[in-house]
Amino acid sequence: GAVVSQHPSWVICKSGTSVKIECRSLDFQATTMFWYRQFPKQSLMLMATSNEGSKATYEQGVEKDKFLINHASLTLSTLTVTSAHPEDSSFYICSASGSAFFGQGTRLTVV
Amino acid sequence: AQTVTQSQPEMSVQEAETVTLSCTYDTSESDYYLFWYKQPPSRQMILVIRQEAYKQQNATENRFSVNFQKAAKSFSLKISDSQLGDAAMYFCAYRRGAGGTSYGKLTFGQGTILTVHP
Repeated sequence: GAVVSQHPSWVICKSGTSVKIECRSLDFQATTMFWYRQFPKQSLMLMATSNEGSKATYEQGVEKDKFLINHASLTLSTLTVTSAHPEDSSFYICSASGSAFFGQGTRLTVV
Repeated sequence: AQTVTQSQPEMSVQEAETVTLSCTYDTSESDYYLFWYKQPPSRQMILVIRQEAYKQQNATENRFSVNFQKAAKSFSLKISDSQLGDAAMYFCAYRRGAGGTSYGKLTFGQGTILTVHP
């Protein structure tokens, strides 16, 4: 139970384009989801809290205009990296409130 | 704010031996949960074990057990009979108790890379 699914697993995009990452709760409803970012061999850092039906809450230092979060339903949150640049290349992972489980993660490479 | 500290960047163990990973945390809250996650090369975060702060008994999951010292704010993970498949990065994490706007948010330690030698 409490499965979280994330898609895509990896994506390569050109600099200046936008990329959307989806996070779904498969067997439960999640009013809140979390988005983390992880650089190689480093810890997970919380980027933002996604709230169903309302605006996301961003951690200090995270650009809300670059990392757009939409939580339109109780089972889906999306993270869109806008105008991506090579420094946005990273591993992005989501989790859902009330669950100790994570999505599979998305490896983003911007070339 | 809560903080989680893992002071061992790397640890190694011989197959079939026992290893203990350390974790300390700081919080002013009384209701919280502590977790150990394993992250293998696939980078999928795998829940290893969970401990509720209100429970005095240490959590155990097969070969994995914790030593939860609430007063000392210490939460170490013991892996018994280590296997090659245990090799991974391990993260200690803190989550506040139910209720409040940040429920579900995890604060992670820096991680410990565990190597298992055959």
